Amino acid sequence: KAGVTQTPRYLIKTRGQQVTLSCSPISGHRSVSWYQQTPGQGLQFLFEYFSETQRNKGNFPGRFSGRQFSNSRSEMNVSTLELGDSALYLCASSLGQDIYEQYFGPGTRLTVT
Amino acid sequence: DQQVKQNSPSLSVQEGRISILNCDYTNSMFDYFLWYKKYPAEGPTFLISISSIKDKNEDGRFTVFLNKSAKHLSLHIVPSQPGDSAVYFCAARGAQKLVFGQGTRLTINP
Repeated sequence: KAGVTQTPRYLIKTRGQQVTLSCSPISGHRSVSWYQQTPGQGLQFLFEYFSETQRNKGNFPGRFSGRQFSNSRSEMNVSTLELGDSALYLCASSLGQDIYEQYFGPGTRLTVT
Repeated sequence: DQQVKQNSPSLSVQEGRISILNCDYTNSMFDYFLWYKKYPAEGPTFLISISSIKDKNEDGRFTVFLNKSAKHLSLHIVPSQPGDSAVYFCAARGAQKLVFGQGTRLTINP
C-alpha cells in the first residue's frame, strides 16, 4: 500500500506570494492533519480534516487555510507569505474517525525569501 | 502553552546500552500517547503507543512507560543500535488531535 505523498517536496517563494501544498493520504484513510515543523518548535498542529470537514484547527492566523476533497486528498494554502512561514510542512493521515496512529508524508520544505 | 514537553534536546548513548527518552505532559485529559522517530528529510515514523489505561507497552527493543500520576512518559530502547540515531517525538492525543513535544535528538555512538 502506498504511503502518504506530498507535493511539491521543495518550494521557494517570495514574501507576499501565496502557496498551495498538496497531500494524498494512504488509500482508505479519511482523516488528514497538517503540521508545521520549525527548528526547536516541534510539530505545530495546523488543522485536521475528516470526510471533507475541518474538525480541528490550531493557533495559526487566517492566512493558513485548507480543504479536503471527496477522495480524501487535501490541500493547504498560505496567503501573503512571511519570512517566518519558512518551515517543513507535514501531512499525516489516519484511518477512521478516532485518531490513533498517524502516518506522515515526507513533507514539503517551504522557503520564503 | 506547551502541553507536551521533551526537556532534553539531545541525548548521546553508547551502542548496546539503554537509551531512555523522557516526555512530560500537563493535560490530564490526554488519553493516548505515541512515540515517533524522524530521520532528516523524511516524515516522522510511528514507533509505539500506549493507552492511558495501561502503564507499559513493549514492542521488541522498544518499551514505553506511562506514569499518569506524574504525567510522565518514557521510551526505553534496549539495546541501542546505530540506526536508532534520529529525532524522537512524543505525542499525546486529546480532543481528536495529537499534540507533539519539541523532539529529542538521539545519537548512538559506536
